[in-house]
Amino acid sequence: AQSVAQPEDQVNVAEGNPLTVKCTYSVSGNPYLFWYVQYPNRGLQFLLKYITGDNLVKGSYGFEAEFNKSQTSFHLKKPSALVSDSALYFCAVRDGGGATNKLIFGTGTLLAVQP
Amino acid sequence: NAGVMQNPRHLVRRRGQEARLRCSPMKGHSHVYWYRQLPEEGLKFMVYLQKENIIDESGMPKERFSAEFPKEGPSILRIQQVVRGDSAAYFCASSPLTGGSYEQYFGPGTRLTVT
Repeated sequence: AQSVAQPEDQVNVAEGNPLTVKCTYSVSGNPYLFWYVQYPNRGLQFLLKYITGDNLVKGSYGFEAEFNKSQTSFHLKKPSALVSDSALYFCAVRDGGGATNKLIFGTGTLLAVQP
Repeated sequence: NAGVMQNPRHLVRRRGQEARLRCSPMKGHSHVYWYRQLPEEGLKFMVYLQKENIIDESGMPKERFSAEFPKEGPSILRIQQVVRGDSAAYFCASSPLTGGSYEQYFGPGTRLTVT
């Protein structure tokens, strides 16, 4: 079964510093990986995806993610954090087995950026 | 281009009543997904529908829950005889039929409170 793990419940970083939010995956076949962000009392916003191609994927709001097949990881990164980046971040993998197209989400990581 | 629309945004029901949640996908999208987010948890897949067809309902509770996506009109998630454990945020997402994009676009959610 497809799964993702986000080992950190919370990540704290000072504004202006680089940030990393970790995600590891377990899939059969080629992984289709996604990052979403959720602000309080809002829906999820799509940030970026890895389907194939370059291991470094660039997305919205200056975020990027690095796909590492050997480590089965897809960590989210940003060179310089903003206070407005504070939110809940979810990693997800597509479960495309059979006819389905559902996403399997991690438990989420709360990012807190201190001014 | 309007995003995924859900209504109502907040719904309060007494135990035993019925809850109806509506979702209108993005224009041009014909795939709809429903997810549930319990307090302090990540999103869990419930059901995947295309127009007039249920493709994958592996995440739906066996009783009281049903979903439809008619030829005309929004997708409906229906919960009969609600119980306190049904209190959660219910998110709808949509994706296009073709193109291989695979990412899903989420609505703002319906927050159901059962009293």
